[in-house]
Formats: sequence, structure tokens, C-alpha cells
Amino acid sequence: DAGVTQTPRHEVAEKGQTIILKCEPVSGHNDLFWYRQTKIQGLELLSYFRSKSLMEDGGAFKDRFKAEMLNSSFSTLKIQPTEPKDSAVYLCASSLPRGLDEQYFGPGTRLTVL
Amino acid sequence: QQQVRQSPQSLTVWEGETTILNCSYEDSTFDYFPWYRQFPGKSPALLIAISLVSNKKEDGRFTIFFNKREKKLSLHITDSQPGDSATYFCAASGSSGSWQLIFGSGTQLTVMP
Repeated sequence: DAGVTQTPRHEVAEKGQTIILKCEPVSGHNDLFWYRQTKIQGLELLSYFRSKSLMEDGGAFKDRFKAEMLNSSFSTLKIQPTEPKDSAVYLCASSLPRGLDEQYFGPGTRLTVL
Repeated sequence: QQQVRQSPQSLTVWEGETTILNCSYEDSTFDYFPWYRQFPGKSPALLIAISLVSNKKEDGRFTIFFNKREKKLSLHITDSQPGDSATYFCAASGSSGSWQLIFGSGTQLTVMP
């Protein structure tokens, strides 16, 4: 049974570039979450989809961050343009939409912006 | 605005001691409180969770104590082991927030042998 997969695992970008991170949720999960994790800010929610509908767009992250879920088994997070402060680990998680279900996290993408 | 607060930020204990991690929240509509554990270089994973209907939840060496009146929770780890060294996140959710989890900033635990 495959867990959440994320690609790439590592990404190095120049300031101003566009990068796209990919996530495949656990099969059958309807909820998908994108988080950013840094030592200083901890886990910050970027986007939240339920059955492909965007439920939460992360407020402060709206301007350069765009998450999409084109089908129930694939999501992307686009950062455009990248800035050095975007350097972080980006985690994707999925769960069943029953409120009390565990969120399963992917291995993350470590992004470094030079 | 931090809706879920954790303390301490970091903690070091000796093997065999009982570890106590604290968590508090503000939103009275929260009714589900999972704790996630993250080992270095790994992703967070669910450790144990409690809902509003319970005051205590136990799973092996891990116990959540819940004081609803004060909106405080604590995670107790008895007989702490070096393998428990990790960052522990308290989280909260409720139906008013479409069940999205609000995470605390985490407590980094080190258990010395």
C-alpha cells in the first residue's frame, strides 16, 4: 500500500525561478494538504483540498504560491517567483475526510533558493 | 496569532525518567487533539490523539491528559528511551475549521542514555 509520494526530494533554484513540486496522495484519500516546515516558523499550512476543491489557500502565501489538484491522485505546488526566504521543507499530507482521521505525510521536498 | 501553543521549546531528560510536554489552545471550537512525532530527517507521523469526550488517553508509555476547562493538554512519556528523541507536535482541529489541523511549534525532546 503506497503512502504519500513527493517529487523531487531535493530542489535547488535560483532566485526568481519558477519551481513545481509534486505530490501523489494515498489512494482513496480525499483530503490533501500542503505545508511548509522551517525551524523558525514550524509547520505552516499552505493549501488544503477536499475532493479536489480548494478549502484553504494559506492566506499570506497567496501571492507567489499556487497549489492545484487536477485529479484525485495528483497535486502540484508552484512557487513563482522563488525567493531565498522560501528555502524550507515542503510537506504534502493526505487523509480521509472524516475529521478524526490521521494525516499521512510524504517524505517532503527540501527546497533551497540561492 | 498562535492558536496552539507548546512548551517547553526543547527538553532534555535522562533515560527512564518521565517526560511531560505541554500544549494549550485558544479556540473553544477545537474538539480533536492529535500529537504527531517527527524523528530527525523524517516526516511527522501520528503518535496518539484525544477528543473532547475524554480526559485521558493512554497508549503504552504515552498518555495524554486533558484539562478542558483550562484548554490545556499534556503528553506524558513514562520510562523515556533514547529512541523517543524527536520533535513532538501538538495539533488541534474542529468542524468549524473544516477539520484542518492547526499545529503547535513543537517540543524538541532529547533523551540521554
